[in-house]
Amino acid sequence: DSGVTQTPKHLITATGQRVTLRCSPRSGDLSVYWYQQSLDQGLQFLIQYYNGEERAKGNILERFSAQQFPDLHSELNLSSLELGDSALYFCASSATGRDTEAFFGQGTRLTVV
Amino acid sequence: AQKITQTQPGMFVQEKEAVTLDCTYDTSDPSYGLFWYKQPSSGEMIFLIYQGSYDQQNATEGRYSLNFQKARKSANLVISASQLGDSAMYFCAMRGFQKLVFGTGTRLLVSP
Repeated sequence: DSGVTQTPKHLITATGQRVTLRCSPRSGDLSVYWYQQSLDQGLQFLIQYYNGEERAKGNILERFSAQQFPDLHSELNLSSLELGDSALYFCASSATGRDTEAFFGQGTRLTVV
Repeated sequence: AQKITQTQPGMFVQEKEAVTLDCTYDTSDPSYGLFWYKQPSSGEMIFLIYQGSYDQQNATEGRYSLNFQKARKSANLVISASQLGDSAMYFCAMRGFQKLVFGTGTRLLVSP
């Protein structure tokens, strides 16, 4: 158990809908990352937050947004969903963002039908 | 920009043998970190080992060791005494600016 909690584990939704994925980082970790893993794109970095502020942005679509709350949990919002958004979405956390370890949650498997 | 290359899509090894998974990287940063993760069929990403670019010695964690050759820009993972439970996807990753950049992975199959 990495200590990073993601909910839900599985999500099935229709095209055009909006979903929210939730991540609770390891206790004490200030930095949260979101990644998307799809069959054709591999593991892609989406966005990073550090202590509530956006720190870095990767290949995140405009239809996607994220935030980190004062209690350090983070949410990834995906809207106007398309079939191609079906993927495994990971959250990872680390203490500062420049650490020797980054721990991943178990992921949320999103299926858009 | 950072780049990770894993050239072995799949590897086979017999139980109790050692196996090396290849990883080469490219970066212009003088300071960087290299990671290996294991992803079993259940999907979770499990941190295995870390090597810093300034570390003088190769990292080891139990049966895992990282063969770090800085001049060749390689960071191969060595798994000694393979076990059936080692069958999984293995990803090499580099810490770039504020994010981890991943390779495409190597699928390892351990046979009895």
